Amino acid sequence: QVQLVESGGGVVQPGRSLRLSCAASGFTFSDYAIHWVRQAPGKGLEWVAVISYDGSNKNYADSVKGRFTISRDNFQNTLYLQMSSLRPEDTAVYYCARDKRDCSSTSCFRHDAFDIWGQGTKVTVSS
Amino acid sequence: DIRMTQSPSSLSASVGDRVTITCRTSQSIAKYLNWYQQKPGKAPKLLMYDASSLQSGVPSRFSGSGSGTDFTLTISSLQPEDSATYYCQQIYSLPYTFGQGTKLEIK
Repeated sequence: QVQLVESGGGVVQPGRSLRLSCAASGFTFSDYAIHWVRQAPGKGLEWVAVISYDGSNKNYADSVKGRFTISRDNFQNTLYLQMSSLRPEDTAVYYCARDKRDCSSTSCFRHDAFDIWGQGTKVTVSS
Repeated sequence: DIRMTQSPSSLSASVGDRVTITCRTSQSIAKYLNWYQQKPGKAPKLLMYDASSLQSGVPSRFSGSGSGTDFTLTISSLQPEDSATYYCQQIYSLPYTFGQGTKLEIK
């Protein structure tokens, strides 16, 4: 079935780095933009980053710009989030989410709506 | 960044009630608003996109309306499984901001 599965979370000290992965299955990964969204404990949702279907376009929230890097490997059907200079406020559950896409007979377009989500991976930044 | 304000922050309603959740944005976003449902310990689930389009597989008791700066999510006849937190999200401009959430409890 259509699925996203995150991994790579854990406990890390402030200032250190961590790489999250998101493995896709059940759909043509290389057709879809993918997002990272996080949720701090007991808090709401925060959009983190997005990467286009081919990896050519990336955007970040100001809170992570310059520290986090989103990337993808369309041969391995995997999305990544390289997190560096981690701060306690980066503590959260991190979700990857697929960008909804519809196609007509002649073209396809993004809705920028997150229709498939992973189960999340927990990152704790603490000394 | 576009600010999102949901109201109420929480509400309690009975099975069969009609429930409305409101989302207001700090600037006009046309129709570019999504709604998500999140149950404890689970990932969010897309309910509505483009303000009023029902995501495939979502029960028809859910509906959305609005444009510009004011939007609503309506549940026409509340069911026990609708107990959850609901979030609106604007996708008019980056960063794609979310509302703070509305926690819906069943009486």
